[in-house]
Amino acid sequence: EDQVTQSPEALRLQEGESSSLNCSYTVSGLRGLFWYRQDPGKGPEFLFTLYSAGEEKEKERLKATLTKKESFLHITAPKPEDSATYLCAVQAGNNDMRFGAGTRLTVKP
Amino acid sequence: GAVVSQHPSRVICKSGTSVKIECRSLDFQATTMFWYRQFPKQSLMLMATSNEGSKATYEQGVEKDKFLINHASLTLSTLTVTSAHPEDSSFYICSATLGPVGYGYTFGSGTRLTVV
Repeated sequence: EDQVTQSPEALRLQEGESSSLNCSYTVSGLRGLFWYRQDPGKGPEFLFTLYSAGEEKEKERLKATLTKKESFLHITAPKPEDSATYLCAVQAGNNDMRFGAGTRLTVKP
Repeated sequence: GAVVSQHPSRVICKSGTSVKIECRSLDFQATTMFWYRQFPKQSLMLMATSNEGSKATYEQGVEKDKFLINHASLTLSTLTVTSAHPEDSSFYICSATLGPVGYGYTFGSGTRLTVV
């Protein structure tokens, strides 16, 4: 069965303090790994899609990387507005998207 | 970009009544939509896959008679929570595929259901 595990569950950073979020996965036939940002009371907002090991994508202060077993979301010099829950999801051949439990990030000014 | 509109954003209903939640794809046709449920501080749990013109496919443990899904057109899927009870209170989110497998989803803004 496909599994997605995110760590840590919660992360508190000072503004400017860089860190990484982890997403470990087991899936048969990965078709895509996705990172989403979710603010309280809102639906997930798309950040990145990664398709193969070694792939990297960047957007502003965020950088996502992918290996055969895990993905990292690196946050460089975060700002308070980066505070949110970051969700990782995998998609296999059946088109279902399975989510991890998320990492709740809080960035203090 | 592809936008999914979900309404209402919040609804409070009395126990025993039914509530309908709408999910519309605004600028694209969605042959497949997905309905998720999310409890506080938990991740999204897939409830059902909604295919236009056919019966929805429900995940194990989801009561199809309680959570009625209709996908009558390429731009609209509805979720009706029938005979709602307080334990049905949750955050419901719909999504639509953007293309073949691997293209990911775009999500609606969610509906907060409170059953009193």
